[in-house]
Amino acid sequence: SYELTQPPSVSVSPGQTARITCSGDALPKNYAFWYQQKSGQAPVLVIYEDSKRPSGIPERLSGSSSGTMATLTISGAQVDDEADYYCYSTDSSNTHGGVFGGGTKLTVL
Amino acid sequence: VQLVQSGAEVKKPGASVKVSCKASGYTFTNYYIYWVRQVPGHGLEWMGMIDPYGGRTIYAPNFQGRISMTRDTATSTAYMDLDSLRSEDTAVYLCARDAVSSMLRRFSPGYFTQWAQGTLVTVSS
Repeated sequence: SYELTQPPSVSVSPGQTARITCSGDALPKNYAFWYQQKSGQAPVLVIYEDSKRPSGIPERLSGSSSGTMATLTISGAQVDDEADYYCYSTDSSNTHGGVFGGGTKLTVL
Repeated sequence: VQLVQSGAEVKKPGASVKVSCKASGYTFTNYYIYWVRQVPGHGLEWMGMIDPYGGRTIYAPNFQGRISMTRDTATSTAYMDLDSLRSEDTAVYLCARDAVSSMLRRFSPGYFTQWAQGTLVTVSS
């Protein structure tokens, strides 16, 4: 099946490194993308094509992908990083379209 | 670049809903449009995409048979129709624009950076 699995929650103290994982059988063949969504706001793209960072996204956010797992790393997490994070990938065969992971609530306290 | 959706809707189970997404600030036919929904308090769900130039569509398997995406190039507006509504369809429906021009890649799902404000659709008897 075409699914992406994330942990429901991750919690770190300010200044620590947070790692959010995303696993899926299709990831070896398709890019992973990461969206940040703060309460009441539209999602914001923070990582595209596994590890690229859009302009304006802090360098402390980084992405990587290996095999069936993609990882979003937030180095030196700040309170402002508290949000829901969704991984996203696409099906290049056009059969399934796009798929989001279930989302991970990052708590920084 | 701006995407503006139609207002909130309240529908009864079994009814249909049509949500619009009006684009401005760019050439409408040069970027694929996506529809995503979010049940309150839950995650994002990819629903489908449309090529505004030719009208081609790709729908998520979960919605096949009861979803239709269309567009009006004269008004730069994309539409999403969802039929046979049930209570589980209560959600915020969002349209989004592809990050990459359709002139630079083939018709296949991509990623998006511009979002509209969303439309709350409530399904209740």
